[in-house]
Amino acid sequence: GAGVSQSPRYKVAKRGQDVALRCDPISGHVSLFWYQQALGQGPEFLTYFQNEAQLDKSGLPSDRFFAERPEGSVSTLKIQRTQQEDSAVYLCASSLEQIYNEQFFGPGTRLTVL
Amino acid sequence: QKEVEQDPGPLSVPEGAIVSLNCTYSNSAFQYFMWYRQYSRKGPELLMYTYSSGNKEDGRFTAQVDKSSKYISLFIRDSQPSDSATYLCAMMNSGNTPLVFGKGTRLSVIA
Repeated sequence: GAGVSQSPRYKVAKRGQDVALRCDPISGHVSLFWYQQALGQGPEFLTYFQNEAQLDKSGLPSDRFFAERPEGSVSTLKIQRTQQEDSAVYLCASSLEQIYNEQFFGPGTRLTVL
Repeated sequence: QKEVEQDPGPLSVPEGAIVSLNCTYSNSAFQYFMWYRQYSRKGPELLMYTYSSGNKEDGRFTAQVDKSSKYISLFIRDSQPSDSATYLCAMMNSGNTPLVFGKGTRLSVIA
C-alpha cells in the first residue's frame, strides 16, 4: 500500500500568513507524529496523536501552532501568523498501534516564510 | 548540551570502505536506539533499531549500543555510492515518549 503522504510538498508564505499542512498516514496506523526539521538539523518532535486524541503537544514552539486529527486518520498542522523562524521541513510519521520505534515518515512539507 | 550529540560531518569515503557513524547521549533512560537514513528532500527511512545494549546485524549494516558509555554506532561494510545520504541516530525512553534525534551525519561514498 501507499506510504505516508504529505501536502503540499512546498509552501511559500509571506510573514503573517496562516498555513495548513496535511498528513495522510498509512491506512490503519493508530499513532501519528509531527516533527520539525530545520536546515542541517535532525527532526524535532512537535506533537503526537493516538487516533483522534492529542496525547502530547509539548514540542509545539508557540500557541501559533495547532494540530488536529478529528477522525483519527488525516491530520492537519496549522501555523498562524507565520514568522521567518518557522521556515523548516515539517515531517509527519505514523506507526501501527503503539510501536513507537517503527515510525514511517512522509516526504515532508518544506515551508519557506518570506 | 543537547540530549543526543552527533558529528554532522560531512564524511567522504571511497567505494568499498567501512564506514563508522556514532552518537553519544546523556539521558540514561533511553531504551530504544534507531538509525534512520535520509536522502535529500526525502523523509527519514528506518534502517535498524536496537532495544537496550548489544549488537544487531542486517546485511551490510551493524548497529551497536553501549549503554554504559552512552554511545551508539552504525557500521556500513562495503559502502556503495547509493549509501550516500544523511544518517540520523534517534532514541527514546520506553513507553509513550517521542523520538529524540541527533543532528545527522552527511555521508558521501565516492565511486
